[in-house]
Amino acid sequence: GAGVSQSPRYKVAKRGQDVALRCDPISGHVSLFWYQQALGQGPEFLTYFQNEAQLDKSGLPSDRFFAERPEGSVSTLKIQRTQQEDSAVYLCASRSPPGTGQETQYFGPGTRLLVL
Amino acid sequence: QKEVEQNSGPLSVPEGAIASLNCTYSDRGSQSFFWYRQYSGKSPELIMSIYSNGDKEDGRFTAQLNKASQYVSLLIRDSQPSDSATYLCAVNKGYSSASKIIFGSGTRLSIRP
Repeated sequence: GAGVSQSPRYKVAKRGQDVALRCDPISGHVSLFWYQQALGQGPEFLTYFQNEAQLDKSGLPSDRFFAERPEGSVSTLKIQRTQQEDSAVYLCASRSPPGTGQETQYFGPGTRLLVL
Repeated sequence: QKEVEQNSGPLSVPEGAIASLNCTYSDRGSQSFFWYRQYSGKSPELIMSIYSNGDKEDGRFTAQLNKASQYVSLLIRDSQPSDSATYLCAVNKGYSSASKIIFGSGTRLSIRP
């Protein structure tokens, strides 16, 4: 596709429910990032993949958060037993490959998660 | 101390004037610096990147980097109402494209007619 796509765009979950957020990166982008953005804040890094390898998961706030990218393209961010503090916009970004001149990171439209 | 700091604003600038946005960062090893624009309810979009000390110009936008002072700025000339948005400063902490990018909390810019 032309850009990074994410689904669903909006998700309302009851506290304690599990949710799964999907990201389709730009074709050919090996680097994929997940961010969490609370209202009025900048995006906070969650985790990073290079192809199927999760190279950095230092930003995941708890063990309820899990991300995977089994075939090196589509990625899923899963949040188990959601809490109200998980309410945020979850942004996925993919980055142009090294050696292409610029490390341009393209964001998807985000998934707005509301936990009631 | 946050790794990337910005004034939250709002910064109000009259139409046609120069808007000046500032950012400081804490990691001296940072190599790449970015400015993103984010409209309300939308995702961030890259408007400028800068890698070496000095100025980089692109249309009405100029990014300035001073690594010794750990300072990055963005100037917007001939400000337009469509420039009203939140501007996010972002820093690549490491030496490779595999390093994560850290964002500031953003400066809200309002261009008044």
